[in-house]
Parts: sequence; C-alpha cells; structure tokens
Amino acid sequence: EVQLVESGGGPVKPGESLRLSCAASGFTFSSHSMTWVRQAPGKGLEWVSSISSSGTYIYYADSLKGRFTVSRDNAKNSLFLQMNSLRAEDTAIYYCAKTYCSTTCPTDQWGQGTLVTVSS
Amino acid sequence: QTVVTQEPSFSVSPGGTVTLTCGLKSGSVSTTYYPSWYQQTPGQAPRTLIYTTNTRSSGVPDRFSGSILGNKAALTITGAQADDESDYYCMLYMGSGIWMFGGGTKLTVL
Repeated sequence: EVQLVESGGGPVKPGESLRLSCAASGFTFSSHSMTWVRQAPGKGLEWVSSISSSGTYIYYADSLKGRFTVSRDNAKNSLFLQMNSLRAEDTAIYYCAKTYCSTTCPTDQWGQGTLVTVSS
Repeated sequence: QTVVTQEPSFSVSPGGTVTLTCGLKSGSVSTTYYPSWYQQTPGQAPRTLIYTTNTRSSGVPDRFSGSILGNKAALTITGAQADDESDYYCMLYMGSGIWMFGGGTKLTVL
C-alpha cells in the first residue's frame, strides 16, 4: 500500500523558513517523480513543484521561483520542500503526491498534508 | 487571473448524469494538455480520478469517465450518488514541466 506522510508544518512568522518532509513507502520511490501541491484555507488546489525520479529535473510554479526549493533523497525514500522568506499567502495545507511516471506526469496517490501557517 | 476554467458549481439529481468541464481562458484543451481530474471532500486529501484525459485511476468506478468535448476536457459522472458530492478539480499540463489546476467545481447531489 502506498503511503505518503508529510511532516514539518507548523506556525512561522513572515520572513522565516520551514522545511517540509514527505516519507514515502509502498512503492519504488526512485522510479517516480513527485509533486508538491498546496491548498490555502477555503481555496482551491495549487500546483507548487515537481521533481523527476532522479532529481535531475525540477519545476516550480512561476509565483514561487526563488523562494522554494524541492529535493529528494532516494536512499531514504524522502521528498523535501525548503520554503524561505515565507509570506502570509503561503499559509496552506501542503500535500506530497506520487506521480504515475518518472518524469513529468499527473499525480496518482496523495498524502494527508501538513499545515503551514504564516502569521506574525 | 484564472487560466484554467471550471464551472464554480453544479448540481445533479441522484442517479442522474453530470458533465463537468475544464477549459482555457484562451485556447482549446486537447489531449496534449494531459488533463487529469481530482475529487476532494471537505477535510480530506484529494483523490485522483482520471489522468491523461480518460484513464481511470486504480479503484475508481467506471461511472467516472473523462473525455475531450469540443474545446474542453470533461469529466462525466453517470448514475450520481450522494457521496459524489464533492469538489472536483482538473489539472492541465502547460508545458515546460508546469502544471496548473482549475479553480474547482463544487458538485451538489440533490
């Protein structure tokens, strides 16, 4: 059974940093690209970033470039999202999701999400 | 500015059929946008229903189907059930590794 467990969320002040983690199990992590999606309170889904299976190719939503960095450790079946210079509008549930392939493709399995709250 | 468009809300009677659509503010959706569809109930993580236009994700009943209708991607629910009442999101591939969600459709079954 595929399991994706996000962690690292919590309250932070504007301008601070946070690193989210996603622990994956139940599938061959190194064979699948991974995606981060976020959802602000009461709002819709927003694609944040995707990383290829090897970590070679990384893509970000235009609105986030320069502040967020995604990485992965295939030896530890883990995905990460480093978020810097956080703003109030980054407040959201952040979901980690597995995709169907090794490069760029849609998600199939989702974690339960971790809440990030940015407030002074 | 919403680039990917969806109906904000829709209603369907139990047992009825409903088609939700996913379009572009400018241009037409085709299979090259690899449309996918997601269902989300309040307080829950999204669930993948359809990917690459019309492939059902594992465990998704065949009353959910995807297609291209005219210049939009479409999700059709046949024989709607009470627990289909959810938010539905489409996602399109915009090229260069970038994906984009639509604003979502709130489906009411009544």
